[in-house]
Amino acid sequence: GAGVSQSPSNKVTEKGKDVELRCDPISGHTALYWYRQSLGQGLEFLIYFQGNSAPDKSGLPSDRFSAERTGGSVSTLTIQRTQQEDSAVYLCASSPYGARSEQFFGPGTRLTVL
Amino acid sequence: QKEVEQNSGPLSVPEGAIASLNCTYSDRGSQSFFWYRQYSGKSPELIMSIYSNGDKEDGRFTAQLNKASQYVSLLIRDSQPSDSATYLCAVNEGRRDYKLSFGAGTTVTVRA
Repeated sequence: GAGVSQSPSNKVTEKGKDVELRCDPISGHTALYWYRQSLGQGLEFLIYFQGNSAPDKSGLPSDRFSAERTGGSVSTLTIQRTQQEDSAVYLCASSPYGARSEQFFGPGTRLTVL
Repeated sequence: QKEVEQNSGPLSVPEGAIASLNCTYSDRGSQSFFWYRQYSGKSPELIMSIYSNGDKEDGRFTAQLNKASQYVSLLIRDSQPSDSATYLCAVNEGRRDYKLSFGAGTTVTVRA
């Protein structure tokens, strides 16, 4: 079946602009995650959605970052007033039910802030 | 102390040999353990999951878990050049069991 999809695959923006990154999880997966991976760095957890529960936003690095998940499916990560340090690969993952279950990653969005 | 630590690389092995990757974790409440493979410029791909002590084999891959020692390993038998990648160990948190902590990864190079 179809895996996790993300768009765009690449995004180049200017410092100070807002960007939106989109994630389509695997059909039927109730849990959705956003991660960030900077060059040569590990995976950094950003946010977790599970069904209709309140998201775990504990990993968002600043209030410039926000995310929503509409209808329990598609998710959008928004970064306002982008900074150069926001440059990274943003990865989305989905999981059948969240707790202790496997996570499957999308191809990622490479964000470059000039 | 990092939550998940992996043996430092890079690890270079000849084709056909066994590659051994190690991972230790600090959270005694962890119950789920995963190995991901990440090719350069690509996203992580799940290759193994293990939940119980002991060995779990899948093709050329064997995962080993010892919860008492807080240790999980991955063996790659008959290593192939296509196995050259970074391998990430991931462990779920005890208190927030939906959340994975990832190690920094071990880069494996298989020499033809």
